[in-house]
This record gives sequence, C-alpha cells and structure tokens, in this order.
Amino acid sequence: GAVVSQHPSWVICKSGTSVKIECRSLDFQATTMFWYRQFPKQSLMLMATSNEGSKATYEQGVEKDKFLINHASLTLSTLTVTSAHPEDSSFYICSATADRALYGYTFGSGTRLTVV
Amino acid sequence: QQPVQSPQAVILREGEDAVINCSSSKALYSVHWYRQKHGEAPVFLMILLKGGEQKGHDKISASFNEKKQQSSLYLTASQLSYSGTYFCGTESGGSGYALNFGKGTSLLVTP
Repeated sequence: GAVVSQHPSWVICKSGTSVKIECRSLDFQATTMFWYRQFPKQSLMLMATSNEGSKATYEQGVEKDKFLINHASLTLSTLTVTSAHPEDSSFYICSATADRALYGYTFGSGTRLTVV
Repeated sequence: QQPVQSPQAVILREGEDAVINCSSSKALYSVHWYRQKHGEAPVFLMILLKGGEQKGHDKISASFNEKKQQSSLYLTASQLSYSGTYFCGTESGGSGYALNFGKGTSLLVTP
C-alpha cells in the first residue's frame, strides 16, 4: 500500500515554456501532498504544501507565480513550472502519506527537469 | 528549519557498523529516516514518534531523544545494499506534517 506515482520521469523543455508535473496517490486518498526540489548531491528542499480544494502553502523564497500548484482531487496534485529557465533545472519530487506512523511519507519517483 | 546530520560521509567495509546522527534546534514531533540511491526517490526506513522510542528492522535501528532533540540511526553488520544517502526528516509543526530534511549522510559499503 501507499504508492505514489509521478509523471513524467524526465522532461527537457525550451526556456520560456511551461512544464506540468503530475503526482498521484494510487491506493489512498491524500488531502495533503508535498513538493520538494533537490539539486545534485544536496538535500530535499520543501517547496510547498499542496492542499486538496484550497490554495497551496509555499515556503519562504519560493515564487508562487512560477511554481503553480493545483490539488483538484484527493488523488492528484500538479506542479506547473511556468516560463521555465535554465536555473529551474532540477529534480522535483512529490510525497504524500497514507498512514504516517505505518508508511512514513511515500515519495514519487521524481521528475528530472532540464531547461535548455 | 533544517536538521543537522553527521557525519557527512562514511565508508565502511561489509560487516562493519555505522551510526548517523540527526539533531535539531527546534522541538520535534517526530523523526523520519530515509535512504536514497542515486537517481531514485527516497525510501522510507522508519519513523520515531515519541521521545525515548527505539525502533528497528533487520539490522537497522534508530532512537529518538526528544529532550535533546536528537535521533540516531544505527546500521549493524552493514551490507553492500546499505550504500546510499541517508536523510533524516523532522516534523516541527508550522507546515502541517511537512518534513524538513537534513543535508544527508553518504554511506558507501565496500566488499
């Protein structure tokens, strides 16, 4: 149990375009999902908390207009990187929990974004 | 606030033991431990919810000292498969149950 699916696994896009990343909880409902960003050989940095049916909560320093989060259902959260630039290239990972005490937080497989 | 992990890196021979420490300057609700292999998502190892709690699975165990705001992960009789980067994640409140991760400890087990 507690499977999180993330798509796509990787994406290469041109500078100035937008990219959408999907995060789905496959066998449980998630009212809350979390989006992280990870640079090579570095830690996971929390970007935002995605709440079903309401606005996402962004961490300090994260541009909400650049990283649009939508959590329209109990099993799907999307992160859209708008007007992407090379500095947005990174590994983006989502996570959610079915039962924190049992499974901890389950992570999606991550999306490697490369902006050229 | 990001917890502090130590050491940054460890190299072990198969069968040796290791300890990874995690500390926070804020009061903690819980501590999570994850292992991440290169290019993959982090994998949950265990969660410690209460001060004084100790938990283990196979030859990996952990403890949580709530008063000192510290946790330690113990790897005994290490196997090659233990290689990876270990992260502790802490919940301190303020962001729902969002985790703040340490910078990670890179562990390499050699034959």
